[in-house]
Amino acid sequence: EAQVTQNPRYLITVTGKKLTVTCSQNMNHEYMSWYRQDPGLGLRQIYYSMNVEVTDKGDVPEGYKVSRKEKRNFPLILESPSPNQTSLYFCASSLSRGGQSPLHFGNGTRLTVT
Amino acid sequence: GENVEQHPSTLSVQEGDSAVIKCTYSDSASNYFPWYKQELGKRPQLIIDIRSNVGEKKDQRIAVTLNKTAKHFSLHITETQPEDSAVYFCAAVWFTGTASKLTFGTGTRLQVTL
Repeated sequence: EAQVTQNPRYLITVTGKKLTVTCSQNMNHEYMSWYRQDPGLGLRQIYYSMNVEVTDKGDVPEGYKVSRKEKRNFPLILESPSPNQTSLYFCASSLSRGGQSPLHFGNGTRLTVT
Repeated sequence: GENVEQHPSTLSVQEGDSAVIKCTYSDSASNYFPWYKQELGKRPQLIIDIRSNVGEKKDQRIAVTLNKTAKHFSLHITETQPEDSAVYFCAAVWFTGTASKLTFGTGTRLQVTL
């Protein structure tokens, strides 16, 4: 089944403790991206990748890192999480390298930083 | 950078009525405009999209119109049903070949009442 798999679904952590949210797609998509969803602010792009070893900042990249060592995986890393990073996070992939085709979203990760 | 404004933020209609959600974008280079539906607790899913070389696209009860001159696009849902209740997001995408920009609107919560 074609899908984007995100883990974990729920994560509670403390300020400063490094964490990684994994994202994997099995559709051979070129484009992968991360979003955070906050009430009233919609979906805001954190980082995106158009190819292996190619990543670029979205609208809200501060405090986040990503890597694209393989085509299928695009992990999101929070080196030193802070409470303002408490949010619902979505990973998504798209066939088109520039993101100009439908996004397929993972199921989301609800992160709480205390 | 690209800015996408979406209105209204909430919309309540009676079952069977039509619903219209409007988005405006700022960057004339944007050329792909998808719409996503997010049911409560679920991931966003594409419902319809339109490219800049097309003025209108229809899929059963859902249609999207694009006015490139005015830089706005709209989602039209006819004969609304309770299962149409969800949050709807518009987005605008441009791609230069070396960079991409994908920006979402802030969402519209549609409530279809019996």
